[in-house]
Amino acid sequence: DAGITQSPRHKVTETGTPVTLRCHQTENHRYMYWYRQDPGHGLRLIHYSYGVKDTDKGEVSDGYSVSRSKTEDFLLTLESATSSQTSVYFCAAGGGTEQYFGPGTRLTVT
Amino acid sequence: GENVEQHPSTLSVQEGDSAVIKCTYSDSASNYFPWYKQELGKRPQLIIDIRSNVGEKKDQRIAVTLNKTAKHFSLHITETQPEDSAVYFCAASILGLTQGGSEKLVFGKGTKLTVNP
Repeated sequence: DAGITQSPRHKVTETGTPVTLRCHQTENHRYMYWYRQDPGHGLRLIHYSYGVKDTDKGEVSDGYSVSRSKTEDFLLTLESATSSQTSVYFCAAGGGTEQYFGPGTRLTVT
Repeated sequence: GENVEQHPSTLSVQEGDSAVIKCTYSDSASNYFPWYKQELGKRPQLIIDIRSNVGEKKDQRIAVTLNKTAKHFSLHITETQPEDSAVYFCAASILGLTQGGSEKLVFGKGTKLTVNP
């Protein structure tokens, strides 16, 4: 599994509540990424990080924020969850080419 | 920005046949093209990749070809087996830029491959 873990693995939350997903890596990769996966859309990049405290937006960043205070942890926050954010969220980490994915978090917003 | 189109969205083959999945990309600066396989309920995993200075790369039953002029690349799986059934994603990236954030992948929408016994 290349040392990538995500927590929680499943979460059900209500519209309007804040949600934080955590990604943890043990391989000291420089780059970390958050994707969402939805049927018919493949993997879409939400935000990514190229170092501690260095982050940037991906193609679907509206409604999401991220933080990376340590090399090993990358947090994704939904400030006020909406039903359109129901999805499977994958974290990934890498050093430049191959990206190693975490097991995913299934988030349901009711 | 980069856009990656992937076809077909679904592909069904008989065991032992070959399967081909094609992708096109829009940014001529892209120089790295990986393919990921995602089995049902699992995480995506890299199966093969190719850089723009190479036209073809093989790894056992899997091969990838790249046509830079036409901006398309393809995944070829020979002698398919039931365990090849999965969703396959192509992606494109620009490696080697000096500024941060250069190692982003843009994925195609995926191809669901079914290999029938």
